[in-house]
Amino acid sequence: GAGVSQSPSNKVTEKGKDVELRCDPISGHTALYWYRQRLGQGLEFLIYFQGNSAPDKSGLPSDRFSAERTGESVSTLTIQRTQQEDSAVYLCASARQRGAGSGEQFFGPGTRLTVL
Amino acid sequence: SQQGEEDPQALSIQEGENATMNCSYKTSINNLQWYRQNSGRGLVHLILIRSNEREKHSGRLRVTLDTSKKSSSLLITASRAADTASYFCATNPTGGGSNYKLTFGKGTLLTVNP
Repeated sequence: GAGVSQSPSNKVTEKGKDVELRCDPISGHTALYWYRQRLGQGLEFLIYFQGNSAPDKSGLPSDRFSAERTGESVSTLTIQRTQQEDSAVYLCASARQRGAGSGEQFFGPGTRLTVL
Repeated sequence: SQQGEEDPQALSIQEGENATMNCSYKTSINNLQWYRQNSGRGLVHLILIRSNEREKHSGRLRVTLDTSKKSSSLLITASRAADTASYFCATNPTGGGSNYKLTFGKGTLLTVNP
């Protein structure tokens, strides 16, 4: 079946502009994660959604970052007033979340954001 | 801070050789997972080892876990040029209300030369 998809694949924007990144998870996956990966670095957790529960936003680096997800479907990550330090690859992952513990996460191809 | 730390940061070997990557972590875990990433894009899950397991195999991959030393190793046998990628370990912590999270290390960049 279809995997996790993200759009756009690449986004170039000017400093100060807002951007919206989209993630389509695998159907039936209740858990959805957003990560940021700077060049040559590991993945930095941003936000977690689980079904209709309140999201864990503890990884969002500033109030310029926000994300939404309606039920168990599409999620959008919005970055307002972008800064050059926001340049990175933004990765989305979904997972079946049953009980405690995290199993395998399925990743999308990412959105490479470049802020000029 | 990063939970998992991979070692070495970079590894270059010849095709046919074995590649070993190590991961150390700090807190108690439910499981530890290894992922592969090509060209800085999406990650692909390779293998998951639970805290009560010591060794696991999948094809040419062998993973070990030593919870007393809080370390894991990933062995790729008979490497191929197509194995060239970055490899990340990710730990799933126990308790603390965050057991749905994975914490990733910075990765090991493996280059397999033909």
